[in-house]
Amino acid sequence: EAGVAQSPRYKIIEKRQSVAFWCNPISGHATLYWYQQILGQGPKLLIQFQNNGVVDDSQLPKDRFSAERLKGVDSTLKIQPAKLEDSAVYLCASSLVAGTAYNEQFFGPGTRLTVL
Amino acid sequence: AQSVTQLDSQVPVFEEAPVELRCNYSSSVSVYLFWYVQYPNQGLQLLLKYLSGSTLVKGINGFEAEFNKSQTSFHLRKPSVHISDTAEYFCAVSTLSGSARQLTFGSGTQLTVLP
Repeated sequence: EAGVAQSPRYKIIEKRQSVAFWCNPISGHATLYWYQQILGQGPKLLIQFQNNGVVDDSQLPKDRFSAERLKGVDSTLKIQPAKLEDSAVYLCASSLVAGTAYNEQFFGPGTRLTVL
Repeated sequence: AQSVTQLDSQVPVFEEAPVELRCNYSSSVSVYLFWYVQYPNQGLQLLLKYLSGSTLVKGINGFEAEFNKSQTSFHLRKPSVHISDTAEYFCAVSTLSGSARQLTFGSGTQLTVLP
């Protein structure tokens, strides 16, 4: 079974530039998550999708971050314009469904963003 | 709001020695608890989970953890570590946010196994 795919793996940009990350979840997984992992910290949830709808985006800095999952499969996370503090690893994860019961999240390898 | 505290940011240990990585959580409701491992330049991999039942849970690679409700702890242990166990370990708690469950992670513990 193929895992969660992310691209690119690494990205270096200058501040005020824009950047986009792509994630393809495990086939059949309805729920998709984007996390931000700053060096020395644990992952922090940015946004959670159920199919193509947003379940929670309360921690997404909406003035500069946006995310979409138009067809309920793959997803794109965008930052525009980037700031120095956006330097982090961006992790994508997926699970079968959301809801009150437990569903294991499977993580992709992440995209390491460096903002200069 | 739930939070997870990993008491040690770095734990160096010699090969074949035992290790314990400490984790405390705060939550006013029932929780699910997890330990994840992250190898360099890789995503997170689930080591073990506590959902209910026996408070001692066993995971992959010889790791185990004990859920202690009175002390709100979920410490990870391994009786004999290998060089290959060198990695970052994250404790996480899953609680309900609205109608869905979400993970809150601790800040991580870097385990370094020395030859």
